[in-house]
Amino acid sequence: DQQVKQNSPSLSVQEGRISILNCDYTNSMFDYFLWYKKYPAEGPTFLISISSIKDKNEDGRFTVFLNKSAKHLSLHIVPSQPGDSAVYFCAASARGSGAGSYQLTFGKGTKLSVIP
Amino acid sequence: IAGITQAPTSQILAAGRRMTLRCTQDMRHNAMYWYRQDLGLGLRLIHYSNTAGTTGKGEVPDGYSVSRANTDDFPLTLASAVPSQTSVYFCASSELGAGANVLTFGAGSRLTVL
Repeated sequence: DQQVKQNSPSLSVQEGRISILNCDYTNSMFDYFLWYKKYPAEGPTFLISISSIKDKNEDGRFTVFLNKSAKHLSLHIVPSQPGDSAVYFCAASARGSGAGSYQLTFGKGTKLSVIP
Repeated sequence: IAGITQAPTSQILAAGRRMTLRCTQDMRHNAMYWYRQDLGLGLRLIHYSNTAGTTGKGEVPDGYSVSRANTDDFPLTLASAVPSQTSVYFCASSELGAGANVLTFGAGSRLTVL
């Protein structure tokens, strides 16, 4: 059962407009959510995170919104730039007492293309 | 530059051969991980280690083994490679503690099993 879902494999946005990437989850025990960005032939790099006790976190052009009741989060990029073209992964972790605590569960990713 | 070093960058391997992917970090992070990335499947955790001397199984551990003899190194071994293990493998590390578990990833090792 996929606990973190990114239902849109791809997204195209015009330069300067807003990009909205969506992520849904099923595990109500997740307490942190993270977004990673990945360019071809490189490893994923961390973008931004949000705690489950918050509903918004902002860092420059990137804002993550969390709706716990809907088990949904989204990453907003404003304004979008051609250099933002990459695959974006949503990830989540559940803090607990077991050995597997803290492990990140990733979605399948959304490929963002920003058109100049 | 501090980070994760993976080797080899790319490898073609005959089925049935043994292969070890190397991973070294210089950030003194306590936790290390191995993920595989496959088209349409995202990143899936193979094995992890929360601290030197301990390891755990992730989502897709079958056919792989790991060891964590010290803080810096976390090799991944395929004892007898099969074509379904063709993938891009990413090693990562993090410092477990309060707050989000932010992983730092290496550049990846592309493995092709024929």
